[in-house]
Amino acid sequence: QSALTQPRSVSGSLGQSVTISCTGTGSDFDGYNYVSWYQQSPGKAPKLIIYDVTKRPSGVPDRFSGSRSGDRASLTVSGLQAEDEADYFCCSYAGMHRTFGGGTKLTVL
Amino acid sequence: EVQLVQSGPEVKEPGESLKISCNGSGYDFATSWIGWVRQKPGKGLECLGIIYIGDSDTRYSPPFQGQANISADKSIPTAYLQWSSLKASDTAVYYCARWQRGPNAFDLWGQGTMVTVSS
Repeated sequence: QSALTQPRSVSGSLGQSVTISCTGTGSDFDGYNYVSWYQQSPGKAPKLIIYDVTKRPSGVPDRFSGSRSGDRASLTVSGLQAEDEADYFCCSYAGMHRTFGGGTKLTVL
Repeated sequence: EVQLVQSGPEVKEPGESLKISCNGSGYDFATSWIGWVRQKPGKGLECLGIIYIGDSDTRYSPPFQGQANISADKSIPTAYLQWSSLKASDTAVYYCARWQRGPNAFDLWGQGTMVTVSS
């Protein structure tokens, strides 16, 4: 089970929007909508920000949104704020396997 | 407060054994699925496997089968990750995290346990 493919880094200015992609093979998503996204600030544990492709846990700002088309899932962060600077990881759950992406560093300019 | 609390950092030599732990509070830990996730220095996340605390039903991710042992004691209750013979390549931060079947995601994370294996 190879890691899902994410860009190593993305950047955007305060107030702008950025999108992070997460690409797998057919078996990674296997027709299910079990894609989640995690935010990890330096030295901290990951935090769930998106589950089931598009849903946000309570307390996560609606600036964070998720989507999926075929073998690609995406996380969009709108209205960038300084505190959004962090690493972001996607995760797929299919066929009883949980596979993470390699992670994307988001830099807020 | 709902939280997962892990044991402290460890420094070991290659070939030594180790067992790290994860406890939950603020919810019924004994009826939850707990996963172990590895993060090597400067690298991404990798799921080693998950365990149901109530009956120790364990599901390993194929790449990690046989590399470490996941177990639980429902009487305490506590989840464990154990190695019989550590290697330098086991150096990483290990997180325990609650796997929720509804969201199909890890919705609660421990603070992480740093394991350093060096001679």
